[in-house]
Amino acid sequence: DIQMTQSPSSLSASVGDRVTITCRASQSIGSYLNWYQQKPGKAPKLLIFAASSLPSGIPSRFSGSGSGTDFTLNISSLQPEHFATYFCQQSFRSPYTFGQGTKLEIK
Amino acid sequence: QVQLQQWGAGLLKPSETLSLTCVVSGGSFSAYYWTWIRQPPGKGLEWIGEINHRGSGKSNPSLKSRVNISVDTSKNQVSLKLSSVTAADTAVYYCATAQFSGSYLVFDPWGQGTLVTVSS
Repeated sequence: DIQMTQSPSSLSASVGDRVTITCRASQSIGSYLNWYQQKPGKAPKLLIFAASSLPSGIPSRFSGSGSGTDFTLNISSLQPEHFATYFCQQSFRSPYTFGQGTKLEIK
Repeated sequence: QVQLQQWGAGLLKPSETLSLTCVVSGGSFSAYYWTWIRQPPGKGLEWIGEINHRGSGKSNPSLKSRVNISVDTSKNQVSLKLSSVTAADTAVYYCATAQFSGSYLVFDPWGQGTLVTVSS
């Protein structure tokens, strides 16, 4: 299986900050990398697909980059609704695997 | 707009069989794959398996011998059965739409999730 490792596991930040979350794959996955946002008690929501593409309705303050094994999720100018847990997921090969998550908390 | 609604038993005893159903509305049932994903309390996400409207699919080798995913196209429903459950199977179980954007597979949207607890 392809292992996905996120860092950091948790992150404290303030409203207005810019944050970066990193995801590393155990082997090259091209651009087959998705990001999801999950709020407490809710299902994950697709945030970014194909490493850097935004689905319809996702604001441009979210951005993704990377290819191969190293990927990043950036959130510019944090808003209160952005405090959640973020997961990366590879869709290169089944079994499709997720990172362990990064919990973004208010400082 | 595809919507998924899921249900099933929330409390099981060890060795019993988990059974969940997901009904799809608002979209073409035959256009997508349907997938199951689980999340133990406070932990990460694990892909369980997927199926299409023809009944073709695959499952995670870590669970393969215990997993059965099926479809009922007459009802736009997808079902998950997981046999011989243990406490390690305690999790929130999600059904989700597996669709392609170009050549890229995404899970979107998701059902509301069902908490299944295994306890004697």
